[in-house]
Amino acid sequence: DIQMTQSPSSLSASVGDRVTITCRASQGISNYLAWYQQKPGRVPKLLIYAASTLQSGVPSRFSGSGSGTDFTLTISSLQPEDVASYYCQKYNSAPHTFGQGTRLEIK
Amino acid sequence: QLQLQESGPGLVQPSETLSLTCTVSGGSISDTTYYWDWIRRPPGKGLEWIGSIYYSGNTHYSPSLKSRVTISVDTSKNQFSLKLNSLTASDTAVYYCARTRSFYERALDYWGQGTLVTVSS
Repeated sequence: DIQMTQSPSSLSASVGDRVTITCRASQGISNYLAWYQQKPGRVPKLLIYAASTLQSGVPSRFSGSGSGTDFTLTISSLQPEDVASYYCQKYNSAPHTFGQGTRLEIK
Repeated sequence: QLQLQESGPGLVQPSETLSLTCTVSGGSISDTTYYWDWIRRPPGKGLEWIGSIYYSGNTHYSPSLKSRVTISVDTSKNQFSLKLNSLTASDTAVYYCARTRSFYERALDYWGQGTLVTVSS
């Protein structure tokens, strides 16, 4: 099975910073990758699908890129409400494995 | 507006079987466009994909859970269900049901609120 590895596992940044989270697949998955945000006590929210397509209603400061094995989620200007855990998920074929998550905090 | 709602016991005994149901409202589970998934998040850990079902009954499961899990669909009730047997404490988690964006685009765009299941005697 394809493994999904996120880095870093935790991250602390200042408001206004540009933040980058990476996700690496152990084999190529084309662009079948999604990014989710989960705030404490809340339901996961889809941010990005097809590696780079912004889900409707998601702020434009979020963006995704990559194809094959290496993917990136970028927040262009970190806001206080972005404190959350972020997960990548591959869905080219079952199992639709999630990355282990990245916890993002405000410095 | 599509809504999904999980239901089931909050406390289950070790070695027993967990049964959860996801009721879909505001849309039809028989819509040929979508798959329907189960996901869980153990306390202090990350999200884990459990499996997926199509309205026809076609299923896919996580290899790590495949021997213990069954996902089924009841189109007459607009519901799909999860059964997980031989429970241990490591199955304690918040369980979510969710819908894929489409048949080919399997990112999860609608989620239930989640239900906490504790495995303990």
